[in-house]
Amino acid sequence: RKEVEQDPGPFNVPEGATVAFNCTYSNSASQSFFWYRQDCRKEPKLLMSVYSSGNEDGRFTAQLNRASQYISLLIRDSKLSDSATYLCAVNPGGGGNKLTFGTGTQLKVEL
Amino acid sequence: GAVVSQHPSWVICKSGTSVKIECRSLDFQATTMFWYRQFPKQSLMLMATSNEGSKATYEQGVEKDKFLINHASLTLSTLTVTSAHPEDSSFYICSARDQASIPDTQYFGPGTRLTVL
Repeated sequence: RKEVEQDPGPFNVPEGATVAFNCTYSNSASQSFFWYRQDCRKEPKLLMSVYSSGNEDGRFTAQLNRASQYISLLIRDSKLSDSATYLCAVNPGGGGNKLTFGTGTQLKVEL
Repeated sequence: GAVVSQHPSWVICKSGTSVKIECRSLDFQATTMFWYRQFPKQSLMLMATSNEGSKATYEQGVEKDKFLINHASLTLSTLTVTSAHPEDSSFYICSARDQASIPDTQYFGPGTRLTVL
């Protein structure tokens, strides 16, 4: 089993739709969690950290479910500009503050 | 957010030559930086952790003598791909750890696209 798994998609949704992605992780000792956005041929950009209590930033909501070992990202009122690959990243702990990335979920928002 | 620069943005070189890539944290100090490699349609794979003032820690399967890392200051880490071959062609991305952020967060440079002919 991969350390961090994501459905690669693509998810094709109409503009204005609400879409959600999940990301599962295998190490129950994982300490911190992040969602990054990566545009084609660009570097990942931090979208948001994921807290145990859940957090929201505008149209984006992130949740952490430690019992089931997954994190989620919800995008409301999706825009064309939201089209990108969304990477989840997990700090597995154990020192070093390394991040393990999922393969990413591709989102395409269409007119 | 914190800014990380990377230079060069892209490089094309002949097989057998060495290429140096620089990663700089511009508005914060980074005792730890990370080097990743990403092949088309694949995830970022961590190559090594670069620690200021000490030796880098390499991930399993990454040759330390081929990918030389130097982290001489709190704002600069370099990755040198020695004796590059076509299979080394990839997107190399660095990140810098901002320990002042909560939670401890990595910010990425814009990446270097390496093509070895």
